[in-house]
Amino acid sequence: EVQLVQSGAEVKKSGESLKISCKGSGYSFTRYWIGWVRQMPGKGLEWMGTIFPHDSATRYSPSFQGQVTISADMSTTTAYLQWSSLRASDTAMYYCARRIVGPHDAFDIWGQGTMVTVSS
Amino acid sequence: AIQMTQSPSSLSASVGDRVTITCRASQGIRSDLGWYQQKPGKAPKLLIYAASSLQSGVPSRFSGSGSGTDFNLTISSLQPEDFATYYCLQDYNYPLTFGGGTKVEIK
Repeated sequence: EVQLVQSGAEVKKSGESLKISCKGSGYSFTRYWIGWVRQMPGKGLEWMGTIFPHDSATRYSPSFQGQVTISADMSTTTAYLQWSSLRASDTAMYYCARRIVGPHDAFDIWGQGTMVTVSS
Repeated sequence: AIQMTQSPSSLSASVGDRVTITCRASQGIRSDLGWYQQKPGKAPKLLIYAASSLQSGVPSRFSGSGSGTDFNLTISSLQPEDFATYYCLQDYNYPLTFGGGTKVEIK
């Protein structure tokens, strides 16, 4: 079964660092992009960025460039989203999703989400 | 960045109704658009890709149409399990951008 399993909920304080994970299984991890999507409480979906695990090529939304780092480890088939210094405004649900590319693109498999709560 | 404007932001409908949700792009995006369904407390789910292609396993009552700047998601006969929020996503170029969402509620 193709699936993405994300790490558990986190409660952190402003200024702390955090790295959440997304483990892929049931498919060739290096052949598909993985994207991260933020959903703030009661709000819509926002694309944050995408990584191609094969060569770690990364694309970021301008809204998140410099605010987060996306990485991947082929040996453990895991993608990561990390912050060096959290803010209260980072409180949100974060989803990873597999991206099929060419001839048509889409996020076809989604993780269950990781809730990040940051207190000030 | 391409802006995706979804309408309406919410709607009330009854089981069996035909429902259409619209997404408009701020510039032409060919057919590079997907539709996603999200139920409360759940991850989004892909319904339609490439504007009109039905994702495997998705009921045929869902259909997508459009190209260029104007797109529709239609549910031909609304079922109880279809009450959810729907989002469009343009895949034409980076940064990828979602529409604001349409919440479909029970009348």
